[in-house]
Amino acid sequence: ETGVTQTPRHLVMGMTNKKSLKCEQHLGHNAMYWYKQSAKKPLELMFVYSLEERVENNSVPSRFSPECPNSSHLFLHLHTLQPEDSALYLCASSLIWVGGSNTGELFFGEGSRLTVL
Amino acid sequence: EDKVVQSPLSLVVHEGDTVTLNCSYEVTNFRSLLWYKQEKKAPTFLFMLTSSGIEKKSGRLSSILDKKELFSILNITATQTGDSAIYLCAVEAGDNYGQNFVFGPGTRLSVLP
Repeated sequence: ETGVTQTPRHLVMGMTNKKSLKCEQHLGHNAMYWYKQSAKKPLELMFVYSLEERVENNSVPSRFSPECPNSSHLFLHLHTLQPEDSALYLCASSLIWVGGSNTGELFFGEGSRLTVL
Repeated sequence: EDKVVQSPLSLVVHEGDTVTLNCSYEVTNFRSLLWYKQEKKAPTFLFMLTSSGIEKKSGRLSSILDKKELFSILNITATQTGDSAIYLCAVEAGDNYGQNFVFGPGTRLSVLP
């Protein structure tokens, strides 16, 4: 139990569906992340909400849209996905001490395994 | 472009062996290097290294960072089947806090009985 909870754990969707992934952290952290993990590829950072500022990886397609209503909750909204979007989507959080030299470790959730048919 | 490279990409050993996993990096404005173990889903944190030459230890695992040569190693002594996992190296870099963790491809370790 890492203190970061993701739902659903598994999701199968068609290319025309709209679904959302949810992440919740109970650690009092002030930064949350979405990562994509595909087979035989490094973890790819998709979105960061850090100190209430959103930072995006410009290579992420617009069919993925994040939402962070508060520092404890993070969503990834999915629409008109492609089969190549099938992957493990990992949420993470961290505690940023402004003025420190680094962020500290990331705490990961168990992931949401997404299959796009 | 920031880059993290790990070697070997996969490794098969027998119980009791000692293994060394390598991580090298090229990033702008290094902040820290982290090691994670990923068995099934969630990567779990092992070590964070920020200073050169200071070894961090946890049981049979140890790690050290060389900021001059831009690499780190993770050692596992007396390996056990439970050590079988993917070991991920990540580097935090960049000008802004928490916005740039770059991960390597991982080393898949298999420990045979």
